[in-house]
Amino acid sequence: AQSVTQLGSHVSVSEGALVLLRCNYSSSVPPYLFWYVQYPNQGLQLLLKYTTGATLVKGINGFEAEFKKSETSFHLTKPSAHMSDAAEYFCAVSGMNSGGYQKVTFGTGTKLQVIP
Amino acid sequence: DTEVTQTPKHLVMGMTNKKSLKCEQHMGHRAMYWYKQKAKKPPELMFVYSYEKLSINESVPSRFSPECPNSSLLNLHLHALQPEDSALYLCASSQDLGSKTAGYTFGSGTRLTVV
Repeated sequence: AQSVTQLGSHVSVSEGALVLLRCNYSSSVPPYLFWYVQYPNQGLQLLLKYTTGATLVKGINGFEAEFKKSETSFHLTKPSAHMSDAAEYFCAVSGMNSGGYQKVTFGTGTKLQVIP
Repeated sequence: DTEVTQTPKHLVMGMTNKKSLKCEQHMGHRAMYWYKQKAKKPPELMFVYSYEKLSINESVPSRFSPECPNSSLLNLHLHALQPEDSALYLCASSQDLGSKTAGYTFGSGTRLTVV
């Protein structure tokens, strides 16, 4: 069974500073990994995804993530935080579950606070 | 159209009421999902429809009843809910159930309060 662990339920950064949100995964097969963002009282929006190929993945709003198999990590970064980046971020992994179907498993989320 | 539309955005209902949540997508996606999200928690899968047939029920109580009238619509019928069912209910869709890589498109959710 696959799972993801997000380190840090809350992260605070200053506006203009580097954003780093951590995600480690566990999967017995090559994983398909995703980052979603959720603004208050909204649904989840896909930021980026890793499937195969290039390990550095670029997404929307200036975010990117690097798949590191040796570290089983898929950390999300952005060079310069903007106030509008304040939101909840979920790492997710897609894989076949014991019931024989593809299932997306979400991490517990990291709330990003951007300080002016 | 690349959106999933959910109505209503907010719903307050009593424990004896019957209400329905609606979800609509016009992206040609053949898998549709209902998720429940409690405050400060990740979404939890409730139901999955694939090609308009119920494929997965994650042991959800019978007071929640899903329905997929056609490939674009997904409903969630609510009856005799409990206050602990108060949550954000999210609808999502994907190309199909077997697609591992496409990711989901989520609606904005219905904020449900049971009083």
